[in-house]
Amino acid sequence: GQQVMQIPQYQHVQEGEDFTTYCNSSTTLSNIQWYKQRPGGHPVFLIQLVKSGEVKKQKRLTFQFGEAKKNSSLHITATQTTDVGTYFCAGFNAGNNRKLIWGLGTSLAVNP
Amino acid sequence: NAGVTQTPKFRVLKTGQSMTLLCAQDMNHEYMYWYRQDPGMGLRLIHYSVGEGTTAKGEVPDGYNVSRLKKQNFLLGLESAAPSQTSVYFCASSYGADTSKQYFGPGTRLTVT
Repeated sequence: GQQVMQIPQYQHVQEGEDFTTYCNSSTTLSNIQWYKQRPGGHPVFLIQLVKSGEVKKQKRLTFQFGEAKKNSSLHITATQTTDVGTYFCAGFNAGNNRKLIWGLGTSLAVNP
Repeated sequence: NAGVTQTPKFRVLKTGQSMTLLCAQDMNHEYMYWYRQDPGMGLRLIHYSVGEGTTAKGEVPDGYNVSRLKKQNFLLGLESAAPSQTSVYFCASSYGADTSKQYFGPGTRLTVT
């Protein structure tokens, strides 16, 4: 079945360092969404990418959608302790738009 | 708006007991979802609904049943709880499907002993 692979599974950084998580799908996605889950919390929507090659920024966060619409990345510049949490990507299969296919998430720890 | 609420927040069950988890949303969303989250397993879809009166199976539906009698409510039932169903359960809702973000409830932490 369709899978969305997300790497790395865990990442520890020093505050101020950059962080990147990658998402790869086995099939073409119609769009991809990113969510953040703080420890003990629930997933919260961050952004959605729809167009091939799309790049969106939210302050220190940069999101990219690959040209083939099979991969995506989230890059955080100069991490802060408030960035701690698990980041999930989730994509809709181009042929089945009723269910998101979730990556397993990347857990980010930031040492102050 | 309260958004998505879940009841209860915590529950401990003994093997074989039954229970119902309630999810309510006040955003007039058509789509609702039940997920379970286990360490290292991400979010797995149990059942979902694309509108009042409709339900469909997700990735891991065995051992669970659902009902969507009212648009704002989505119930998840465990008829005979098993230790393998120990998990954190999240409900989510969205306006539509592929272009709609999902709004999550705070979760229910269920332990089955």
